[in-house]
Formats: sequence, structure tokens, C-alpha cells
Amino acid sequence: KAGVTQTPRYLIKTRGQQVTLSCSPISGHRSVSWYQQTPGQGLQFLFEYFSETQRNKGNFPGRFSGRQFSNSRSEMNVSTLELGDSALYLCASRSGSIDEQYFGPGTRLTVT
Amino acid sequence: KQEVTQIPAALSVPEGENLVLNCSFTDSAIYNLQWFRQDPGKGLTSLLLIQSSQREQTSGRLNASLDKSSGRSTLYIAASQPGDSATYLCAVRQVAGNQFYFGTGTSLTVIP
Repeated sequence: KAGVTQTPRYLIKTRGQQVTLSCSPISGHRSVSWYQQTPGQGLQFLFEYFSETQRNKGNFPGRFSGRQFSNSRSEMNVSTLELGDSALYLCASRSGSIDEQYFGPGTRLTVT
Repeated sequence: KQEVTQIPAALSVPEGENLVLNCSFTDSAIYNLQWFRQDPGKGLTSLLLIQSSQREQTSGRLNASLDKSSGRSTLYIAASQPGDSATYLCAVRQVAGNQFYFGTGTSLTVIP
């Protein structure tokens, strides 16, 4: 069974631009969560989607948004990028009935 | 707000030694606790998941225990190997808000 995939793996953007990251969960998994990882703040929860609905949201500004499609693939969008948005963005999937999270390799975003 | 702490932040041991990593959390109303390892620049690999009703889980040389009432979990690694070198993270899924909270991790180095 294929694991969680994330694209792109690396991204360089300029302040003020916007970016869209993609996550494909393990086949059959309906829940996708997004996390931001930085050296200073560690891993912080962004939001979780389940069956195309946002189920939970962390404490991030409205510039961070997401969505989930009917095939469970999810996208995360960050608008008006700031230098502090530079981070490793990780997504995780789980089946919904079993709680174990499985993570993708992450997208390394650098904002210059 | 749930706070998850991992002590020590870094640990260096000779190969073959048994070791214990600690994770503590402030809100004991959790669904489960999950241990992960993360290699530099990579995503997270799930090691063990303990449901709130369980006391421990074992996988190979790894054993994780959970004392929910005292807000503590330990990850025991037997006969450590250089390949065990990584950052180990614990995460709890809190009942209130149904969110996952991660610890800041323990960086483990196993010296050959």
C-alpha cells in the first residue's frame, strides 16, 4: 500500500506570494491533517479534514486555508506569505476508525 | 491548553545500552498517545500507538507505557543501535477539541 505523498517536496517563494501544497493520503484514509514544523515552535497543528469537511482548526491566521476533495486528497493554501512561514509542512492521514497517524515526507517551504 | 513536554531534549548513549525517553502532558483527558521518530529533514514514522484504556504497547525492541492519571508516558528502547539515532516525538490526541499536540522531541544519538 502506498504511503502518504506530498508535492512539491521543496518550494521557494517570495514574501507576499501565495502557495498551494498538496497531500495524497493512504488509500482508504478519509482524514487528512496538516502541521507546520519549525525549529522554534516545533510541530503545530493547522487543521484536519474528514470527508471534505474541516473538522478541527489550530491557532493559525486566516491566511492558512485548506480543502479536501472527494478522493480524500487535500490541499493547503497560504496567501500573502511572510518570512515566518518558512517551515516544513507535514500532512498526516488516518483511517478515521483507527487513530494511528501516518505522515508524508513533508514540503520544505522557504520564503525569501 | 494541552502542553506536552519531553525530557531530556537530547541524549547520547553508547551502542547496546537500554534507554528510556519521557513524555509528560498536562491534560489527562486524551484519546490516545502516539510515539514517532523523525530523521533529519524527513517526515515522521509511527512507532507505537497507545489508546487511553491501555497501559503499554510493544513492538520489537520498543516498549511504550502510558499512565494517563499522572500524565506520563515512557518509551523504552532495548539494546540501542546506531540506526536508532533520530528525534523521537510523542503526541497526544486530546478529547477537548479533538486535536493532536506534539512534544518538542528528544534527539537521540547512539554512538557505535
